[in-house]
Amino acid sequence: AQKVTQAQTEISVVEKEDVTLDCVYETRDTTYYLFWYKQPPSGELVFLIRRNSFDEQNEISGRYSWNFQKSTSSFNFTITASQVVDSAVYFCALRGTNFGNEKLTFGTGTRLTIIP
Amino acid sequence: EAQVTQNPRYLITVTGKKLTVTCSQNMNHEYMSWYRQDPGLGLRQIYYSMNVEVTDKGDVPEGYKVSRKEKRNFPLILESPSPNQTSLYFCASSPRGGFNSYEQYFGPGTRLTVT
Repeated sequence: AQKVTQAQTEISVVEKEDVTLDCVYETRDTTYYLFWYKQPPSGELVFLIRRNSFDEQNEISGRYSWNFQKSTSSFNFTITASQVVDSAVYFCALRGTNFGNEKLTFGTGTRLTIIP
Repeated sequence: EAQVTQNPRYLITVTGKKLTVTCSQNMNHEYMSWYRQDPGLGLRQIYYSMNVEVTDKGDVPEGYKVSRKEKRNFPLILESPSPNQTSLYFCASSPRGGFNSYEQYFGPGTRLTVT
């Protein structure tokens, strides 16, 4: 069975601080994909990043960066110099490739509040 | 424009009154699924479909039905809604197999309240 754990239920930081959202996953598939989604107060799911299990390079996109470590089964997300617009619920998700594991398994989400 | 559409976006109904939430995609995707989102639980899969006429239960299928008569449509049916089905529902689609099988497209969500 697949599982995604986001241990941080809620985080609050002051604007311009850096913040890291943790994600730990479990799967038996050798090939899988990891995702981060943002859900702003309006409710839609906004795709942020996808990573496949064979690519452990860290990625940076503007103020966002992701640290994928297969050895610890973690896929953490860092926002640098946070802004109020970053306030949202963030979900980490896992998708396997073996039959029956093609669904997205989501973590329970981390609610991030940026204090002006 | 490639998209997944859901209707209605908001619905308030009463216990026991059958309802259908429609989902349609224009990307010729084989795989479609429904998720519900509840506070503290994240998103959980209700049902999924690998292709036309092929559907199967996800993690929380009780109280729901689906059908896949056409490739583009995947309606979610609540035969006798109950208050514990009050939730935010998302439809999603993706290709199966091949290089792009990881692509996931989500609809805008349907907020359902059952009183």
